[in-house]
Amino acid sequence: QKEVEQNSGPLSVPEGAIASLNCTYSDRGSQSFFWYRQYSGKSPELIMSIYSNGDKEDGRFTAQLNKASQYVSLLIRDSQPSDSATYLCAVNMAGTYKYIFGTGTRLKVLA
Amino acid sequence: SQTIHQWPATLVQPVGSPLSLECTVEGTSNPNLYWYRQAAGRGLQLLFYSVGIGQISSEVPQNLSASRPQDRQFILSSKKLLLSDSGFYLCAWFRGDRVSGANVLTFGAGSRLTVL
Repeated sequence: QKEVEQNSGPLSVPEGAIASLNCTYSDRGSQSFFWYRQYSGKSPELIMSIYSNGDKEDGRFTAQLNKASQYVSLLIRDSQPSDSATYLCAVNMAGTYKYIFGTGTRLKVLA
Repeated sequence: SQTIHQWPATLVQPVGSPLSLECTVEGTSNPNLYWYRQAAGRGLQLLFYSVGIGQISSEVPQNLSASRPQDRQFILSSKKLLLSDSGFYLCAWFRGDRVSGANVLTFGAGSRLTVL
């Protein structure tokens, strides 16, 4: 089992819709979780971090964490064409300085 | 302000040639530093990380090596490049998030390596 798993996509949504991106992880002791956005040819940039079970909202973005199910998700409301990118889920492995990334989900927002 | 620099941005190297990629961080001291590689169409693979001068943890056995000669400098090297070394190399550092107070990884602009 991979340490961090994501559906590679592409996930296509119409402009204005909600995009839902999912991530599962294997290390049950992990406490810190992150979503990064990566445009083609660019380096990843942090969108959200989440550390507690439940929802965390920041503008159009909501991160959801369920540690019992080892599941992290990212919702993007009112999706815009500029949101088209690859979204990477990252997990800080418990008790380490290691940050492991999923392979990313490619999102396409159709105008 | 805190910034991270990587160079060169792009390079094309023949198989069997050496490699040196450099990363420096400004505006902070004793950062945790990381090297990741992203092959075409693939996710980020952790290669090395360092929590201090001369302290290197290797995640994947391969023909690459890393060194940290100074507090804010992290170097990725190879003596002989392979075709499979082609990819987008990203340096990152571990900084405090002002809002949450937690530490987050922040990436440099990356170095794109093509091995022919």
